[in-house]
Amino acid sequence: DAGVIQSPRHEVTEMGQEVTLRCKPISGHDYLFWYRQTMMRGLELLIYFNNNVPIDDSGMPEDRFSAKMPNASFSTLKIQPSEPRDSAVYFCASSLAFGETEAFFGQGTRLTVV
Amino acid sequence: AQKVTQAQTEISVVEKEDVTLDCVYETRDTTYYLFWYKQPPSGELVFLIRRNSFDEQNEISGRYSWNFQKSTSSFNFTITASQVVDSAVYFCALSEAGAGEGNTPLVFGKGTRLSVIA
Repeated sequence: DAGVIQSPRHEVTEMGQEVTLRCKPISGHDYLFWYRQTMMRGLELLIYFNNNVPIDDSGMPEDRFSAKMPNASFSTLKIQPSEPRDSAVYFCASSLAFGETEAFFGQGTRLTVV
Repeated sequence: AQKVTQAQTEISVVEKEDVTLDCVYETRDTTYYLFWYKQPPSGELVFLIRRNSFDEQNEISGRYSWNFQKSTSSFNFTITASQVVDSAVYFCALSEAGAGEGNTPLVFGKGTRLSVIA
């Protein structure tokens, strides 16, 4: 398996624009997680899915953020409208089970909002 | 709520020195899992080890070793004979068992940036 695949690797956008980040989890993994990494706050969980169903989105910072998982092999994280404070590295991860197995991370998307 | 503290923000060592990265955790559960991840300069997060709360046996993998002590809620990571390639940010993480109410997958510490100087 190629591992968790995220796209794009880098995204630069202007404030107010819509941004969509994409993730393909490892095949067979039931859990998918979106994390955000910033210098100030470290790695924060935004939302996670189990079998394509969103379970906990309490980490999503604002209504401007939304995430979907239309099928087992694809998820998106959308920010609309984007703001400079959204600049961060966004990681997608997947795992076989909750908690007791390790999560495998994608290479991340570095988002810069100017 | 679960919490992971990595008190060392940055550590710098000379190549071939041993170095220990500290991790202290808090959890209300009796069943939980501890992890270490490595984030090299290239940015990806690489899984290193997983430990469950019932297994306090220390583990060694090459130059890496981990010391899990429930009595002090610590899960420390030692690199023996450090090398320049070990330079990275290392994260300790905790997950409580089961997707029950309030349980959160993989809560991370703030990380320790290790610089190994040749």
